[in-house]
Amino acid sequence: KQEVTQIPAALSVPEGENLVLNCSFTDSAIYNLQWFRQDPGKGLTSLLLIQSSQREQTSGRLNASLDKSSGRSTLYIAASQPGDSATYLCAVGLTGGGNKLTFGTGTQLKVEL
Amino acid sequence: GAGVSQSPSNKVTEKGKDVELRCDPISGHTALYWYRQRLGQGLEFLIYFQGNSAPDKSGLPSDRFSAERTGESVSTLTIQRTQQEDSAVYLCASSLAWNSGNTIYFGEGSWLTVV
Repeated sequence: KQEVTQIPAALSVPEGENLVLNCSFTDSAIYNLQWFRQDPGKGLTSLLLIQSSQREQTSGRLNASLDKSSGRSTLYIAASQPGDSATYLCAVGLTGGGNKLTFGTGTQLKVEL
Repeated sequence: GAGVSQSPSNKVTEKGKDVELRCDPISGHTALYWYRQRLGQGLEFLIYFQGNSAPDKSGLPSDRFSAERTGESVSTLTIQRTQQEDSAVYLCASSLAWNSGNTIYFGEGSWLTVV
């Protein structure tokens, strides 16, 4: 059974700092990995989608990397802003599993002024 | 509509009552998913629809849970004889197709509290 772990569970940083969120998964036979953002009382917003054949994806200040063999992904946020404060979720999809995703429990990020 | 819409946004119900949660996916999206998020836990997959068919119901926790979809549009998740452990946020999502690589869009969820 696929298990997804995210470290740290919570993180507080000053505005402007670069930061890294970590995600690990136990079954390397994944089809893709996605990073989502969840704001309090809101649904999830997809940030980045990495296919298993890719090593990284970038969108603006966000960069996600994938090392399938070691079962790890990182989400790098450059020049953090208070508006980045949210819970960040990592989710993996297995081959043939489509969007039946296994989620981690998330990293709660707070960016302070 | 512009996004995935869910109703009710909040529901408090007494133990033993039945509840229905509704999801309106993005127009044209053939795939629809239900996930559950209990307090302090990650999202759990419940069921998905491709069109009006549900090929994978493996995530439904018990036979008290059922879901249907009509017109390749609206879906209803029904929980019968609710229990306190059913308290959670129920999230609906949709995508153009079931295939991996299609961006998945989530609604804001239906917050269910069973007292």
